[in-house]
Amino acid sequence: AQTVTQSQPEMSVQEAETVTLSCTYDTSESDYYLFWYKQPPSRQMILVIRQEAYKQQNATENRFSVNFQKAAKSFSLKISDSQLGDAAMYFCAYRGNAGGTSYGKLTFGQGTILTVHP
Amino acid sequence: DTGVSQNPRHKITKRGQNVTFRCDPISEHNRLYWYRQTLGQGPEFLTYFQNEAQLEKSRLLSDRFSAERPKGSFSTLEIQRTEQGDSAMYLCASSFRRGSSYNEQFFGPGTRLTVL
Repeated sequence: AQTVTQSQPEMSVQEAETVTLSCTYDTSESDYYLFWYKQPPSRQMILVIRQEAYKQQNATENRFSVNFQKAAKSFSLKISDSQLGDAAMYFCAYRGNAGGTSYGKLTFGQGTILTVHP
Repeated sequence: DTGVSQNPRHKITKRGQNVTFRCDPISEHNRLYWYRQTLGQGPEFLTYFQNEAQLEKSRLLSDRFSAERPKGSFSTLEIQRTEQGDSAMYLCASSFRRGSSYNEQFFGPGTRLTVL
């Protein structure tokens, strides 16, 4: 079974600074997607960024970028120029892409609460 | 279309009662997922449908839980004989699958269940 681990229960950052959230995963599949989701307090979860495992280039979406290390099974999220609106719970998630037992469903980590200080 | 909707948003019930939640996915999304999220944890997969067919169920889905998607549109999740351990946020997500292309899951706001 696939597992996703986020070892940082809480992180904090000053506004305009950079913060990195960590995620490791375990899988025997070779084709999969990795995601970072943001869940603001009392609001629904939204997708921040995704990475296809077959792509060596790290994904980037505006101020959000990832460091994908496939051999190490590591997938960290870097938030640059942090803003107050970035404060939320962040989840790392895994999804298989080629059949098998994980196809379709997301497997989430435990989450990291990010606090942004003005 | 304004996204995935879930009703009710909050439900308080007494132990032993039955509850039913509804999820309305984004129009034309053929896949629908249910997840459960306990406080301070990540969501855990419960089950998913492609159209009206239930394709996978987690071992978390005990025989007290049943989910349906009768016409391939909205879905219901019923919990019978609720227990205090069922208290959680129940999330619904939908996506559109066509061939092997990537399909993002869009999440609803969730139904928060409290079992007294």
